[in-house]
Amino acid sequence: DIVLTQSPALAVSLGQRATISCRASQSVSISRYNLMHWYQQKPGQQPKLLIYRASNLASGIPARFSGSGSGTDFTLTINPVQADDIATYYCQQSRESPTFGAGTKLELK
Amino acid sequence: EVQLQESGPGLVKPSQSLSLTCSVTGYSITSNYWGWIRKFPGNKMEWMGYISYSGSTSYNPSLKSRISITRDTSKNQFFLQLNSVTTEDTATYYCARSGPDPYYSSWGQGTLVTVSS
Repeated sequence: DIVLTQSPALAVSLGQRATISCRASQSVSISRYNLMHWYQQKPGQQPKLLIYRASNLASGIPARFSGSGSGTDFTLTINPVQADDIATYYCQQSRESPTFGAGTKLELK
Repeated sequence: EVQLQESGPGLVKPSQSLSLTCSVTGYSITSNYWGWIRKFPGNKMEWMGYISYSGSTSYNPSLKSRISITRDTSKNQFFLQLNSVTTEDTATYYCARSGPDPYYSSWGQGTLVTVSS
């Protein structure tokens, strides 16, 4: 299995930039495709796709969300953070049998 | 707009089978890929498998001996069966849609299944 490692929590102030990282135990890139995806989940709700293939914004997602990275290291950036962004964020790879990171809980400072 | 809705028993006894239905509206399951993902207490998420537009399946190797995903195209539904469950199968189960690259753009609301005697 490809193991994805995320920090458990990140505290930010409203209006500031949040940078959430995800590190894979082996490369999840094939050719020009970076097979890492990001989801947001709020309590009691289903996950919502934010970013697919590392840097592509999913439909209906605000432009303050962005993604970057390749190989084993990926980043989700929220800038500026709004109150509605307080949630848990998961990365997921599809290079091999899909796996998820443990999630990063975004908290207010 | 595609909508997915999970249904099934909320309580299953150990050693029995867990069976869930995902009802899809607004999109035909003869297109795209239709998966099951679960979230355990403590927030770990696990991909379980999918059934494709053609009826082919792919499963998480860790579940391969216990899992079956099938479909009824006439009802636009697909199904999860997980055999020989234990308390460790207690989770919220989600059905979801993807393309050939399994990232999930549409999800059901999820259904909590508790395994307990």
